Amino acid sequence: KNEVEQSPQNLTAQEGEFITINCSYSVGISALHWLQQHPGGGIVSLFMLSSGKKKHGRLIATINIQEKHSSLHITASHPRDSAVYICAPSSTGNQFYFGTGTSLTVIP
Amino acid sequence: DTEVTQTPKHLVMGMTNKKSLKCEQHMGHRAMYWYKQKAKKPPELMFVYSYEKLSINESVPSRFSPECPNSSLLNLHLHALQPEDSALYLCASSAKGGGGETQYFGPGTRLLVL
Repeated sequence: KNEVEQSPQNLTAQEGEFITINCSYSVGISALHWLQQHPGGGIVSLFMLSSGKKKHGRLIATINIQEKHSSLHITASHPRDSAVYICAPSSTGNQFYFGTGTSLTVIP
Repeated sequence: DTEVTQTPKHLVMGMTNKKSLKCEQHMGHRAMYWYKQKAKKPPELMFVYSYEKLSINESVPSRFSPECPNSSLLNLHLHALQPEDSALYLCASSAKGGGGETQYFGPGTRLLVL
């Protein structure tokens, strides 16, 4: 069983749609990270959460520590949001446990 | 400056070659990481340096040899690689290597072993 499960694996949306990506984990963590990886490789850190909810522009991330679950929401999706989104809980030693990623395509 | 730089961007090497990947950051971070990423897979941790000392080696074959000459620089020396080592190699850094730190990733070096 994977320590980090993400769903869906692939997602296609129309521009403007509200998008939700879910992450469940089984490991003990000190924080949970949401990362974005565009084709070509570079990874950008979107959020680091240890409780509650954070918002940055059109992106919202939530975490429920008791249920070991986190969600990433994108409001008013845009083609430039097309990327792979990776959930990565981290240990007290800052070791990341990477999810398998959700590949998002937003169609104009 | 929140940038991690990696050189080269692309590298093609034969199985008998020796080459090095370089990673640099000037954020004052004291933890640096090497990851390997195969296509359509998540990154896999290879090595972690904390305060210029190797703190984690995830059972990586000895044909990969990391080096941290100073707190800003991380190298990965490659020797006698196999075709299955072809991948994207990512470097990252964080403040101290403790829990709850953001990791800043470089753009990666795409390696092809022939």
